[in-house]
Amino acid sequence: NAGVMQNPRHLVRRRGQEARLRCSPMKGHSHVYWYRQLPEEGLKFMVYLQKENIIDESGMPKERFSAEFPKEGPSILRIQQVVRGDSAAYFCASSPAETYGYTFGSGTRLTVV
Amino acid sequence: QQQVKQSPQSLIVQKGGISIINCAYENTAFDYFPWYQQFPGKGPALLIAIRPDVSEKKEGRFTISFNKSAKQFSLHIMDSQPGDSATYFCAASKKEGYSTLTFGKGTMLLVSP
Repeated sequence: NAGVMQNPRHLVRRRGQEARLRCSPMKGHSHVYWYRQLPEEGLKFMVYLQKENIIDESGMPKERFSAEFPKEGPSILRIQQVVRGDSAAYFCASSPAETYGYTFGSGTRLTVV
Repeated sequence: QQQVKQSPQSLIVQKGGISIINCAYENTAFDYFPWYQQFPGKGPALLIAIRPDVSEKKEGRFTISFNKSAKQFSLHIMDSQPGDSATYFCAASKKEGYSTLTFGKGTMLLVSP
């Protein structure tokens, strides 16, 4: 059973471009969480999704950021018009239900140049 | 407002020694306190977790001590090994139903041979 799969592992974007980060949860998991980790900082919650629904997006910036988890396919975190401050590691986690202790993927490291 | 404060920022311990990392929280609604271990280039992995109804939990060489009245909890790594060298994050979750985590800023542990 593969773990939480995130791709790409590394992503370089120029300022103003769009970044699309993908997360495939573990098999049987229908709950997905996105976190952002800035250098020398802990992880910060961004958004929690279930299939086709955004449950809590309280940690996600109101502008330029969006997330989806369609019925089929991976969850997508989209960042439009990226700026240097968006450079960070973005981690996805999944769980089978509304439980504690979910599993994280290895992350996507976004660099904005 | 930092809801979970973690210290020290970095720690060097000799092989065989005890590593101690401390966390303090502010929100009394927190009811789940996990510790995560993160190796470079990897996502955080759940190490051990505790609920506030117990004061201590031990799993192998890892022990969580919890002081509800002081709103503090700590991770003790007994007989520390070079393979334990990693960044450790404490976290807390406060809402029943789903578990968004509030993380500390992390402690970089180096166990010298």
